[in-house]
Amino acid sequence: RKEVEQDPGPFNVPEGATVAFNCTYSNSASQSFFWYRQDCRKEPKLLMSVYSSGNEDGRFTAQLNRASQYISLLIRDSKLSDSATYLCVVKGRNAGNMLTFGGGTRLMVKP
Amino acid sequence: ETGVTQSPTHLIKTRGQQVTLRCSSQSGHNTVSWYQQALGQGPQFIFQYYREEENGRGNFPPRFSGLQFPNYSSELNVNALELDDSALYLCASSLSSGSPETQYFGPGTRLLVL
Repeated sequence: RKEVEQDPGPFNVPEGATVAFNCTYSNSASQSFFWYRQDCRKEPKLLMSVYSSGNEDGRFTAQLNRASQYISLLIRDSKLSDSATYLCVVKGRNAGNMLTFGGGTRLMVKP
Repeated sequence: ETGVTQSPTHLIKTRGQQVTLRCSSQSGHNTVSWYQQALGQGPQFIFQYYREEENGRGNFPPRFSGLQFPNYSSELNVNALELDDSALYLCASSLSSGSPETQYFGPGTRLLVL
């Protein structure tokens, strides 16, 4: 079983739609959680950190459920520019900067 | 731009050869991590260097080795290349060994092994 699992998609949605991605992680000792965005043939870039209380950044909302070891990302009012692969990432305690990535979920927003 | 650079951008090698990839970290950053990203998959952690010492290693064989220099730039060396080593190799630099929010990725080196 992979440490971080995501539905690979693709999720094809029209502009303006709301879309949600889910991710599960297997290591209960994981300490920090993130969503990264990766455009085609580019490097991953941090989208947002994920906190137990949930957090929002504009159209993006991230949630963490430690009991179920589950992370989510909600994108409201999708834009064409949101088309990318979204990577769920976890970091364990005492793991330095070692990040464990999921396989990514591909989103395609269409006009 | 993040200020993290990698060279070369693309590389083609044949099985059994050796390759060296280079990463220049962002100014002031003393930690460099290397990741391998196969096509259609997420990046996988290879190892990390902090102040010129290896500071953690993922599930990669010893033929993957690295160095960090006094200016904190880094090299990834892969010996005895295999077809499955074809991937995007990413380096990421950060200010300390415990702040992923300030970890920035370089654009990567695309390696094709024939």
